[in-house]
Amino acid sequence: DAGITQSPRHKVTETGTPVTLRCHQTENHRYMYWYRQDPGHGLRLIHYSYGVKDTDKGEVSDGYSVSRSKTEDFLLTLESATSSQTSVYFCAISDTDGSQPQHFGDGTRLSIL
Amino acid sequence: GQSLEQPSEVTAVEGAIVQINCTYQTSGFYGLSWYQQHDGGAPTFLSYNGLDGLEETGRFSSFLSRSDSYGYLLLQELQMKDSASYFCASYGQNFVFGPGTRLSVLP
Repeated sequence: DAGITQSPRHKVTETGTPVTLRCHQTENHRYMYWYRQDPGHGLRLIHYSYGVKDTDKGEVSDGYSVSRSKTEDFLLTLESATSSQTSVYFCAISDTDGSQPQHFGDGTRLSIL
Repeated sequence: GQSLEQPSEVTAVEGAIVQINCTYQTSGFYGLSWYQQHDGGAPTFLSYNGLDGLEETGRFSSFLSRSDSYGYLLLQELQMKDSASYFCASYGQNFVFGPGTRLSVLP
């Protein structure tokens, strides 16, 4: 299995608080992605990175920011969490873009009350 | 923009063959991928089609027709462990997943 670790695995927090999710990889893959998964919507791309300090927005980026200061770490931040951001968040990595498989972490279940 | 459609649910019996269809509208389309996800688990990659035609990997095959903006995943000799959700995903200007098809395999 690809070496991807997401932390925390579960988090419960209150509306308005900041939240940071971490994705750590040991594969030295160039591309890293953050998705959220909600019933009926499949996986939706939030942000992705194609290298250190190189990031871009996905289809549901509003309310989220990311940072990638090292190849192995990709952080997702909710500056002021809202209940609509309650979801399961998955990180994925890929050695190349598009045609190559993305390997997913085990997910973070985030509940915002 | 990009959007994908797939059936929400499919049911089949053990040993049977099932086909899960996916139609897409994708700007700058490059290819179509398929992922499997068991309940509570992470998605895992099954196959990728960058060219028209059939790709076979063991019991699973995937097909793409660019002219029809259509693809399918074919699962043969179904086993109980194949009960899961299956997602098509298109790669174009962005990477977009379909809403998923929940496959139930009955004994």
